Amino acid sequence: DSGVTQTPKHLITATGQRVTLRCSPRSGDLSVYWYQQSLDQGLQFLIQYYNGEERAKGNILERFSAQQFPDLHSELNLSSLELGDSALYFCASSRPGAQETQYFGPGTRLLVL
Amino acid sequence: LAKTTQPISMDSYEGQEVNITCSHNNIATNDYITWYQQFPSQGPRFIIQGYKTKVTNEVASLFIPADRKSSTLSLPRVSLSDTAVYYCLVARALTSGYSTLTFGKGTMLLVSP
Repeated sequence: DSGVTQTPKHLITATGQRVTLRCSPRSGDLSVYWYQQSLDQGLQFLIQYYNGEERAKGNILERFSAQQFPDLHSELNLSSLELGDSALYFCASSRPGAQETQYFGPGTRLLVL
Repeated sequence: LAKTTQPISMDSYEGQEVNITCSHNNIATNDYITWYQQFPSQGPRFIIQGYKTKVTNEVASLFIPADRKSSTLSLPRVSLSDTAVYYCLVARALTSGYSTLTFGKGTMLLVSP
């Protein structure tokens, strides 16, 4: 158990819909990272937040957005969903000064039908 | 960030030592070498990190030659439960306090009885 929690564990929805994935970082961690993992693309970095502010962006689509709240939990919003958005979405967190050591949550498996 | 190259797959037997080598020819002075392990449908797990020479923890050893253009993850006496994908990453610790991780394809290690 990494100490990072993600909800829901599984999500099934239809194309065109919008979903929200939630992540709670480990106690004391200020950074939250979101990753997408699909069979053909591997593990792709989406976005990073540090203490409520966006710090780095990766291959995140415009249909996707995220935020980190004052209590440091984060949400990833996926809208206008397409079949290709079906994937595992991981959240990770890290401590200040140890950003290269990330602790990953169990992931949310999203299936778009 | 420096691109990493590692074997796509490796096979081993229980009780053997496994060495996975990763090349990172363009590593920069302030880059760290980090290894993660991932089991199917789980988030990656941090294994070990190093800058130069040798680092050892309870799980693995990491050998980094003086030129730092490659690194070798050593897993002593593997068991069936070590079957997983192993990722070699180069991570930059920035003075601003954040860095992102770029995951490649990883090495699929299969341990047989």
